[in-house]
Amino acid sequence: DAGVIQSPRHEVTEMGQEVTLRCKPISGHDYLFWYRQTMMRGLELLIYFNNNVPIDDSGMPEDRFSAKMPNASFSTLKIQPSEPRDSAVYFCASGTGTLNEQFFGPGTRLTVL
Amino acid sequence: AQTVTQSQPEMSVQEAETVTLSCTYDTSESDYYLFWYKQPPSRQMILVIRQEAYKQQNATENRFSVNFQKAAKSFSLKISDSQLGDAAMYFCAYRASLGSGGGADGLTFGKGTHLIIQP
Repeated sequence: DAGVIQSPRHEVTEMGQEVTLRCKPISGHDYLFWYRQTMMRGLELLIYFNNNVPIDDSGMPEDRFSAKMPNASFSTLKIQPSEPRDSAVYFCASGTGTLNEQFFGPGTRLTVL
Repeated sequence: AQTVTQSQPEMSVQEAETVTLSCTYDTSESDYYLFWYKQPPSRQMILVIRQEAYKQQNATENRFSVNFQKAAKSFSLKISDSQLGDAAMYFCAYRASLGSGGGADGLTFGKGTHLIIQP
C-alpha cells in the first residue's frame, strides 16, 4: 500500500490567494483527519470525517477554512483567502473503525507570504 | 477538554544508554488510548507504541516500553539501547474511546520532546 498521499508537499503563496491541499487516504480506511502543526500551537486537529461525512469541525480556525470529502479516496482542505498566520505543516491521517492507529501522510508545508 | 503535557522540551542521551520521556494527561474518561509518535526531520509521523487504558500491562515494542500509571495519569516512554536513528521529536497523544462524541476520535497531542542522541 502506498500509504496516505498528500499533495502538494510544499506550497508557497501570497496573502489573499486561495490554497487547496489534497489527501488520498489508505484504501479501506473509513476515517480521515486533518491536523495542523505550528511551532506556537503544536499539532492540533482541524476536522475529521467518518465514511465521508464530517463529524467534527470545531478545530477549524475560521470560516476561511473549509474541507470536503466527496468520496472515500479523496479529501481537500481549502483556505480562502490565505493569510501569513496560516503558514504551517498540514497533515492528513486515516484510520479504520477501531482507530488503533492513525496513519499520517507526509504533510504539506504551506508558506503564505 | 483533554490536555496532554510533555514537560521536557529537550532530552539528550548517550548512544546505547536508556532514556525516559515524560507525559501526563488530564481526562475524566475511564476508557481511552495513549500513543507515542516519533517525528524525525523528514516530519513523517510514525507510531512508536500505544496503550489501551483498560489494560494494566504496560505496552512494549522491542526497545520501546511505557510506564502507564492510570491513577497518576502518567504515560512515560522508555527507550533502551538508544540508537542514532532514535533522534527525533517525540509526541505523546491521547484519544478517547470511540463513540465518546464530539472530536473524541481525533488525537490530542502534547507539545513534544526533542530527543538528541550523543554518539
